[in-house]
Parts: sequence; C-alpha cells; structure tokens
Amino acid sequence: EDKVVQSPLSLVVHEGDTVTLNCSYEVTNFRSLLWYKQEKKAPTFLFMLTSSGIEKKSGRLSSILDKKELFSILNITATQTGDSAVYLCAVGTNTGTASKLTFGTGTRLQVTL
Amino acid sequence: NAGVTQTPKFQVLKTGQSMTLQCAQDMNHNSMYWYRQDPGMGLRLIYYSASEGTTDKGEVPNGYNVSRLNKREFSLRLESAAPSQTSVYFCASSERRVSARKPTGELFFGEGSRLTVL
Repeated sequence: EDKVVQSPLSLVVHEGDTVTLNCSYEVTNFRSLLWYKQEKKAPTFLFMLTSSGIEKKSGRLSSILDKKELFSILNITATQTGDSAVYLCAVGTNTGTASKLTFGTGTRLQVTL
Repeated sequence: NAGVTQTPKFQVLKTGQSMTLQCAQDMNHNSMYWYRQDPGMGLRLIYYSASEGTTDKGEVPNGYNVSRLNKREFSLRLESAAPSQTSVYFCASSERRVSARKPTGELFFGEGSRLTVL
C-alpha cells in the first residue's frame, strides 16, 4: 500500500519566520512528488518534483526532493499571513493505465502577526 | 475557462437515500478522479478513470459507484448513504500518461461538494 507521511501535522509561526514542511513516502512505481496549497476550497498546485537534488522555486517558496532517502521538503521564507493554509504533499505513481496521486494528511500552517 | 465543475456544492441526505455527484471538465483531459477529504485523513482516492470507458477502484471504493459518461463527465453515486460517508468530495482531472518516462502530472481540482448524511 502506498504511503505518504507529512510532518509536522500543524505549525504556528510569526509573520517573517521561515518554515520547513516535511514529506516522506513509501510507494510503488514512483513518478513524481507534488505540493499543493489548500485554503478554503480546492487544493491549488505549487510544485512538481521528479529529480533528486534540483530545487524548484517560486517566490518565497522552494522545494527539493531526495529520491534516495524518499522525502521532500517545502520551505517558505519570510512568511506572511496569506501563507496560512493546509499544505498537501502527494506522490504520483503510474499503474500502467493511469496516473494517480496518493496524498499525505497535510500540514496546517498558521501565520500570526 | 471553467476547469473542473462539480455539482451540487452542498447536500444533506438521510441514511439510506441515494444521490449522484456530477463532475465535468473542459480541459480535454483523459483521466478523472474522485477523492474524499475528512479531517485528519487527507485526500483519499475513491475511484478513478484513466480514459473514457474505463474505471478503477482507489483506496476507499466501498459504498460508491462511478460512471464515466463521456470524456468530459465522471459521476459518483452513493446508492444507500451512510453517516460514514459524510465528507467533502473532490473531483479532479489530469492529462493521461503518454509514456513510462512522462511523470505523473498535476491534478486540477473542482471546488468540492460537502455532503452530510444524517
């Protein structure tokens, strides 16, 4: 059974802090790891990672994948209250006929003033 | 551009009633998915459809049926609703994997349907 574990489950930080969110996985037929941000409704896509050691960046957010150790981290620098959300990690696998994502339970981030 | 559209957005059912959640996408994607999201459980895959005419069970299929009506539409049916099916349901779509080298692409999600079973 494919498994994706995120830590911490929740986190409260002050605006301006830097945070690191963790995602580890055990899956069959790994193809990609994706990060999503979920505020009130549907998850919105942040990054997709397929290769180890290559950092993906978007503004204050960055992420990197380690395929040997089977984990990824999502960093957010200079946090803002708008970063408050649940961050979901998902691992993509191919079944032979379709791609599917297995999600972790998420990390709830709250950024306070 | 609507993306993925789900209906209804909210529904309250009594135990034993049936209902169908509808989902349509206008991005010409081949693969479609139904997930449920419960507190502390993350998103769990119920059923997916790799392409028109095919459906497969996901992690939590019991109590549900699906129909891939055509390339655009993928519906989820609860034949006899139970309180354990109270959840937020998300439909999603993605491009189908073309070859073994192509990584799993991102999923595009609908806004969600909140279902309460009393």
